[in-house]
Amino acid sequence: EVQLLESGGGLVQPGGSLRLSCAASGFTFSSYAMSWARQAPGKGLEWVSTIGGSGDTTYYADSVKGRFTISRDNAKHTLYLQMNNLRAEDTAVYYCGKGLELLHWGQGTLVAVSS
Amino acid sequence: QSVLTQPPSASGTPGQRVTISCSGSRSNIGSNGVNWYQQLPGPAPKLLIYGDNKRPSGVPDRFSGSKSGTSASLAISGLQSEDEADYYCAAWDDSLNGQVFGGGTKLTVL
Repeated sequence: EVQLLESGGGLVQPGGSLRLSCAASGFTFSSYAMSWARQAPGKGLEWVSTIGGSGDTTYYADSVKGRFTISRDNAKHTLYLQMNNLRAEDTAVYYCGKGLELLHWGQGTLVAVSS
Repeated sequence: QSVLTQPPSASGTPGQRVTISCSGSRSNIGSNGVNWYQQLPGPAPKLLIYGDNKRPSGVPDRFSGSKSGTSASLAISGLQSEDEADYYCAAWDDSLNGQVFGGGTKLTVL
């Protein structure tokens, strides 16, 4: 059974940093691209970033480019999202997903950016 | 403003067939597969349809997807009360080099 478990969310001040993690199990992690998506309170879904299976290809939404960095550790079956220079508009539940198509989703972790 | 356009709401009665549309452009729906997600109140979204019309295992065949040109549709037949949820379409966009979502459609079962 595919399981994705996000962690690392919390309250941070504008301009601050957070690193999200997503522990994956139940599938061959290195064989799949992995993605992050987010959902601001009361809003729709927004794709954030995708990384290829080997980690050498990355894609970012324009809204986070230059501030967020996606990475992965295939030995630890873990996906990461380093978020720097956070803004109020980054407040959202962040989900990790299997594949570009987000075949499976984690339960999400809440990031709140506020002073 | 979302790159993919969906109606904000849709409704139907139990047993009815409902369709939800998703309009895009040549760089996204016109060039790549469309995925549909269901988000029930509370839980994380769930993939319903991928690659325009394929269902992951476990998704009932009441749900079907189709595409024509730069538009796609999700059809739900034999509508049930548990289908009341938000539905989102998504596709890769070759111009933006990223995934784009529709704004979501809230389906109400009357």
